[in-house]
Amino acid sequence: NAGVTQTPKFQVLKTGQSMTLQCAQDMNHEYMSWYRQDPGMGLRLIHYSVGAGITDQGEVPNGYNVSRSTTEDFPLRLLSAAPSQTSVYFCASSGTVGEQYFGPGTRLTVT
Amino acid sequence: GEDVEQSLFLSVREGDSSVINCTYTDSSSTYLYWYKQEPGAGLQLLTYIFSNMDMKQDQRLTVLLNKKDKHLSLRIADTQTGDSAIYFCAESIGSGANNLFFGTGTRLTVIP
Repeated sequence: NAGVTQTPKFQVLKTGQSMTLQCAQDMNHEYMSWYRQDPGMGLRLIHYSVGAGITDQGEVPNGYNVSRSTTEDFPLRLLSAAPSQTSVYFCASSGTVGEQYFGPGTRLTVT
Repeated sequence: GEDVEQSLFLSVREGDSSVINCTYTDSSSTYLYWYKQEPGAGLQLLTYIFSNMDMKQDQRLTVLLNKKDKHLSLRIADTQTGDSAIYFCAESIGSGANNLFFGTGTRLTVIP
């Protein structure tokens, strides 16, 4: 099993550009989530999904969209990038006791 | 709201025990977790404890839970240089186990 994979690993955007961060898992987990990690702030939940076709907002959803058309994939879209979205983004999928398996992260810089 | 607090830094000598502490606020949390993050990597689940337990041991790791004080600790016995990393405590939010709220992380430095 590859576990949770994320692409790209690094990305630089200009303010106002849009992009999609990809996330896929091969563990057949229903629950998937996106977090952002900023220095001194731990991880904050952006959006999550409890299964294909179902998504919901987390703690910091503004400026991000998600969709879940398959169990395996959970892409995160930045609609109009802002410098405040410079961060490291982690995708995770969740097992039977809520333990979350994290991808390697995408380091995003918005200039 | 949820608030998970951890001290930011801890330094120990190689071979000593490390104790990383965490306090949380949601008394309905079903599970509490410890994650490890090495530089440039994602978070790796180390262990978790169900809220009706007060201790769990897994090789060099011991988790203690004091539900009355909402205090969680992670003890690493015989700490090695490879244990240097950031350690995150997390609590499940509400009745479901899947939404987690993370602390800010404790950076453990092991001195050879």
